Amino acid sequence: AQTVTQSQPEMSVQEAETVTLSCTYDTSENNYYLFWYKQPPSRQMILVIRQEAYKQQNATENRFSVNFQKAAKSFSLKISDSQLGDTAMYFCAFMNGDGSGNTGKLIFGQGTTLQVKP
Amino acid sequence: DTAVSQTPKYLVTQMGNDKSIKCEQNLGHDTMYWYKQDSKKFLKIMFSYNNKELIINETVPNRFSPKSPDKAHLNLHINSLELGDSAVYFCASSRFGGTQYFGPGTRLLVL
Repeated sequence: AQTVTQSQPEMSVQEAETVTLSCTYDTSENNYYLFWYKQPPSRQMILVIRQEAYKQQNATENRFSVNFQKAAKSFSLKISDSQLGDTAMYFCAFMNGDGSGNTGKLIFGQGTTLQVKP
Repeated sequence: DTAVSQTPKYLVTQMGNDKSIKCEQNLGHDTMYWYKQDSKKFLKIMFSYNNKELIINETVPNRFSPKSPDKAHLNLHINSLELGDSAVYFCASSRFGGTQYFGPGTRLLVL
């Protein structure tokens, strides 16, 4: 069974600085997708970034980028130029992509609470 | 325009009651999901429907019954509510195998 582990329950960063959130996963599959979702105090789950396992290039979305290390099964999120609005809980998630009945089942990590300080 | 909407946003009820949560998406997706977020913020999938057919059914008490009248709607009915059902329930949608977009969540409190 696939598992996702976020080993940092809480982190903090000063505004305008860079922070990296860690995520590791375990799978025997070769075709899968990885995601970071953000959950601010409003409770809404917001997609931050998506990575296809078959792509070697790391995904980027503006100030957000990932370091995807497939062999190490590591998928960290880097937030550059942190802003107060980045304060939220961040979830790493895994999804099988083989088209089987489990396709679409997002498996989440425990979450990391990020506080951006002014 | 709200992409994935849920009603109600808050639900407070007594143990033993029956309640429903409704979800609608206007993204044209063919797959919809229900997730439960517990008090420790852990998120776990409950059900998934593709083109109105159940494709993922995790180990969930049979007091929970999803219903998908069409591709744009997925409702969750809960019978005989228990204290442990208190949680935030999220609906999500995607095209099959694609990125999931979440609704705003429904906070359920069972007293």
